[in-house]
Amino acid sequence: RKEVEQDPGPFNVPEGATVAFNCTYSNSASQSFFWYRQDCRKEPKLLMSVYSSGNEDGRFTAQLNRASQYISLLIRDSKLSDSATYLCAADPSRLAGGTSYGKLTFGQGTILTVHP
Amino acid sequence: GAVVSQHPSWVICKSGTSVKIECRSLDFQATTMFWYRQFPKQSLMLMATSNEGSKATYEQGVEKDKFLINHASLTLSTLTVTSAHPEDSSFYICSARAFTRDYNEQFFGPGTRLTVL
Repeated sequence: RKEVEQDPGPFNVPEGATVAFNCTYSNSASQSFFWYRQDCRKEPKLLMSVYSSGNEDGRFTAQLNRASQYISLLIRDSKLSDSATYLCAADPSRLAGGTSYGKLTFGQGTILTVHP
Repeated sequence: GAVVSQHPSWVICKSGTSVKIECRSLDFQATTMFWYRQFPKQSLMLMATSNEGSKATYEQGVEKDKFLINHASLTLSTLTVTSAHPEDSSFYICSARAFTRDYNEQFFGPGTRLTVL
């Protein structure tokens, strides 16, 4: 089983739609989670960090469910510019004392296409 | 946000040659940088952790003698792909941690696309 798993999609939605992605992780020791956006042939850009139960930033909401070991990303009122691959990442690494080592494990990414 | 640069942005080389990729943190110091590789339609796979002033830590399955990492200063890490072969063709991305309001945020370089003929 992969450490971080996502539905690769693709998700094709019309403008204005609400779309949700799920991501599951297998390492229960993971403390920090992230959603990244990656455009074609570009580097990932951080979209949201998720440290506790959830986080909201404008049209984007991320939620964490530790009991079921998954994080979700909800995009409301989709825009054409939201078309991209969305990567979730988990940070399972810990040094002694609890400080994160910073290693990220990425899911395979979910492709989103928003059409007019 | 913090800025990470990579050079070159793309490189084409013949099989058997070595290629050096630089990763720089432009406006912050990074004691730790990470090197990832991404094949087409796949996710980022961590190759190694680069530590300033000490040896890099490689992930399982990554040959340390093939992928040489040098983190000579707090703003520069280099990855050298030695004796590159076509199967090494990939998108190589580095990242560095910067202690921002999200205290654990990683910033990625723009990546280097390597094509080995």
